[in-house]
Amino acid sequence: DSGVTQTPKHLITATGQRVTLRCSPRSGDLSVYWYQQSLDQGLQFLIQYYNGEERAKGNILERFSAQQFPDLHSELNLSSLELGDSALYFCASSVGVGGQETQYFGPGTRLLVL
Amino acid sequence: SQQGEEDPQALSIQEGENATMNCSYKTSINNLQWYRQNSGRGLVHLILIRSNEREKHSGRLRVTLDTSKKSSSLLITASRAADTASYFCATDDGSSNTGKLIFGQGTTLQVKP
Repeated sequence: DSGVTQTPKHLITATGQRVTLRCSPRSGDLSVYWYQQSLDQGLQFLIQYYNGEERAKGNILERFSAQQFPDLHSELNLSSLELGDSALYFCASSVGVGGQETQYFGPGTRLLVL
Repeated sequence: SQQGEEDPQALSIQEGENATMNCSYKTSINNLQWYRQNSGRGLVHLILIRSNEREKHSGRLRVTLDTSKKSSSLLITASRAADTASYFCATDDGSSNTGKLIFGQGTTLQVKP
């Protein structure tokens, strides 16, 4: 158990819909990261938040948005869903901001868009 | 885009044998990490090696890093059936200001009992 929690574990929805994925980082960690894992793209970095502020952005679609709240939990919002958005979405956390640290991953949310 | 390429894509060995996986990357890095993923589940951090380190050990794991060749290897000694999983290398983007990780495509390891 990494200490990072994600809800829900599974999500099935239809095209055009909007969903929210939730992540609680390990106690004491200030950075939260979101990654997408799909068969064709592999593991892709989406976005990083550090202490409530956006820190880095990766291959995140405009239909996707995220935020980190004062209690440091984070939410990833996916809207106007398409079939190709079906994937495993991981949240990770680390203590600080930089790339010198271990990132601890949650169990993931498996999203299926029908 | 993928930073790393892992080799081989798949590996099948007998329990007790050693397994070696290789990872190559393209840009300068501060560190390289290895993760394990059991089928469809979360990633488990195995080891982090910094760019100024050449070799690191953790239990049955040995990781090497050659920054001149932009490559790393993960050796699992005396493998067990429980080591069956996918293994990914991940690098930072060379910046110290973000924690963005760039993952390779992974090596799928099967250890037969």
